[in-house]
Amino acid sequence: EVQLVESGGGLVKPGGSLRLSCAVSASTLTDGFTFTDAWMSWARQAPGKGLEWVGRIKSKTDGGTTYYAAPVKGRFTISRDDSKNMLYLQMNSLKTEDTAVYYCTTDPATDWGQGTLVTVSS
Amino acid sequence: QSALTQPASVSGSPGQSITISCTGTSSDVGYYDHVSWFQQHPGRAPKLLIYDVTKRPSRVSNRFSGSKSGNTASLTISGLQAEDEADYYCSSYARSDTYVFGPGTKVSVL
Repeated sequence: EVQLVESGGGLVKPGGSLRLSCAVSASTLTDGFTFTDAWMSWARQAPGKGLEWVGRIKSKTDGGTTYYAAPVKGRFTISRDDSKNMLYLQMNSLKTEDTAVYYCTTDPATDWGQGTLVTVSS
Repeated sequence: QSALTQPASVSGSPGQSITISCTGTSSDVGYYDHVSWFQQHPGRAPKLLIYDVTKRPSRVSNRFSGSKSGNTASLTISGLQAEDEADYYCSSYARSDTYVFGPGTKVSVL
């Protein structure tokens, strides 16, 4: 099983920025999981609402390409540091509707982190 | 607004079987065999139950099964148990390398 731990959430004003981090690790018994080869995603869930896919990043060997959901395209950026087994979500020009618990997931979403809450409010 | 549609709620008695539908379009569910199902208990992170329409991770009970016909995918829970009371979400790969989620279905065990 892969362990994912998100951090960096908090309260931010509309128009502000925040960077979320996700530390990824795996037990030695996990079936061949290596972060370097993994595609990763972010999803979010507004309070009392359903899940929403945010975006994904391919492995560097597969081009490292990123893809985003329409509501966040142009404002959010996903990146990765394979040397540290870290995934990031840079969020700029935040809006109140971005308030949600943000989850880091493997792609496909076999494993999820516990989530980190982002609150956008004045 | 979700690109996929699910019933808001489904209920059943212990031991019964229930089915949750997930309807998309020919651009997502109907085109790709990459439909997943997730279970989420209150205050917890989602858990993958089914991926690629019918595949089940080894740690998931075989009481959960998935299928697809045309633009509609389905999750069946057999031998319903009290612990199955949760929210269930479908997800599908869509064009332009994106994913879409359904709005979720609340399962109640009577």
